[in-house]
Amino acid sequence: DQQVKQNSPSLSVQEGRISILNCDYTNSMFDYFLWYKKYPAEGPTFLISISSIKDKNEDGRFTVFLNKSAKHLSLHIVPSQPGDSAVYFCAASAAGTYKYIFGTGTRLKVLA
Amino acid sequence: NAGVMQNPRHLVRRRGQEARLRCSPMKGHSHVYWYRQLPEEGLKFMVYLQKENIIDESGMPKERFSAEFPKEGPSILRIQQVVRGDSAAYFCASSPDKAEAFFGQGTRLTVV
Repeated sequence: DQQVKQNSPSLSVQEGRISILNCDYTNSMFDYFLWYKKYPAEGPTFLISISSIKDKNEDGRFTVFLNKSAKHLSLHIVPSQPGDSAVYFCAASAAGTYKYIFGTGTRLKVLA
Repeated sequence: NAGVMQNPRHLVRRRGQEARLRCSPMKGHSHVYWYRQLPEEGLKFMVYLQKENIIDESGMPKERFSAEFPKEGPSILRIQQVVRGDSAAYFCASSPDKAEAFFGQGTRLTVV
C-alpha cells in the first residue's frame, strides 16, 4: 500500500523555466511533509518541508505547496538550473510519529 | 558539526555471512532511522530508534534483521545469513525532533 505517490517517474525542463514536481498521499493523518533531493551514490539531501497548518513554504528558488483537501503537494523550482538535475523524493509523517514514508521519486533533468 | 556518518560505504558479503552496518548520528540527534533502497525504487522505512530503544520496526523483516542504538556508540543494523535479495543501499538518518531528518551517504551492500 503506497501511502505516498509520485506518479511521474521523470521530468525534463529547460534551464531557466519552472520545474513542478507532484506528490499525492492517502493517509489523512500525515501532518508533516518534506522534499529531498538525491544524486547518484549519495544520500538524500533535505530541501524543504511544510507542516499541515500551512499551505505554502518558500525557501529561495524552492516553494512547496500543500493542498490538504486534495491530499496533494508540489515542489516548484524556479528558475531551474542544470545542477538541480537529480531524483526528488517527497516524504510524509503522521501526527505523533517520527516515521517518514517516502514516495518512489521523480527524476528531474534540467536541460541547458 | 559532522553530518550523519555511515560505514562502511561499500560492503560485499557472501551468501550466508553476516553484514553489520554502522551509523553515527549528528551531534545532538537522538532519533535514528534506517531505510533501504532497492535498485530503481524509493526509500523504504525499516526501523526507527531512540537511544537504547526501538520505537518502530514495522518496516524491518521479522527474520535475520536487527537494529540497535546503544547508549554509547553508533547505531548498528545487522543482517544475518545474507541472501542476494538483501543487496541494496542502506541509508541511516537522524533528527533532533520531529523535523527534517538528515541522511548519511549510505552503505551499499552487495551479496555475492
